[in-house]
Amino acid sequence: EVQLVESGGGLVQPGGSLRLSCAASGFTFSSFSMSWVRQAPGKGLEWVANINEDGSEKYSGDSVKGRFTISRDNAKNSLDLQMNSLRAEDTAKYYCARGRWNYVYWGQGTLVTVSS
Amino acid sequence: QSVLTQPPSASGTPGQRVTISCSGSSSNIGSNTVNWYQQLPGTAPKLLIYNNNQRPSGVPDRFSGSKSGTSASLAISGLQSEDEADYYCAAWDDSLNGRGVFGGGTKLTVL
Repeated sequence: EVQLVESGGGLVQPGGSLRLSCAASGFTFSSFSMSWVRQAPGKGLEWVANINEDGSEKYSGDSVKGRFTISRDNAKNSLDLQMNSLRAEDTAKYYCARGRWNYVYWGQGTLVTVSS
Repeated sequence: QSVLTQPPSASGTPGQRVTISCSGSSSNIGSNTVNWYQQLPGTAPKLLIYNNNQRPSGVPDRFSGSKSGTSASLAISGLQSEDEADYYCAAWDDSLNGRGVFGGGTKLTVL
């Protein structure tokens, strides 16, 4: 069974940093691109970033470019999102999803709240 | 302001057929395939349609997708109460070195 479990969310002050992780199991992690998608409270979905199978290609959305970095550790079956210079508008539930773009499998999400 | 434009709401009665539109541009829908996601309250999104009109295993054939030019649509026939959810279109956008874009979502109410 495919499982994606996010962790690392919490309350952080504006300008602060946070690192999210996604633990993957039930499939060959190194064979799939992976992505992050977020959803602000009561709002729609926003694509954040994706990374290819070996980590050599990364794409990120306009609103996080230069502040967020996606990475992966295929030996640990883990996907990370390093978030720096956080803003109030980054407050959202962050989902890990399997794939470059067609997301059949999603995690349950981890909530990030940016507030003073 | 979302890159892909959807109506904020739609409604129908049980058994009816409803459609949800999604409008984009040449850099996204016009040159890439469209996905549709269904999101029930408090849950993660579920892939409903991929590659414009393909259904993942387990998705009822009541759900269908189509694309023409820079627009796409999701049709739900034989509407059921459990179809009440938020629906999002999505497409890859080739501008700005590539990025994923979603529509703003459509809240479907089954009357």
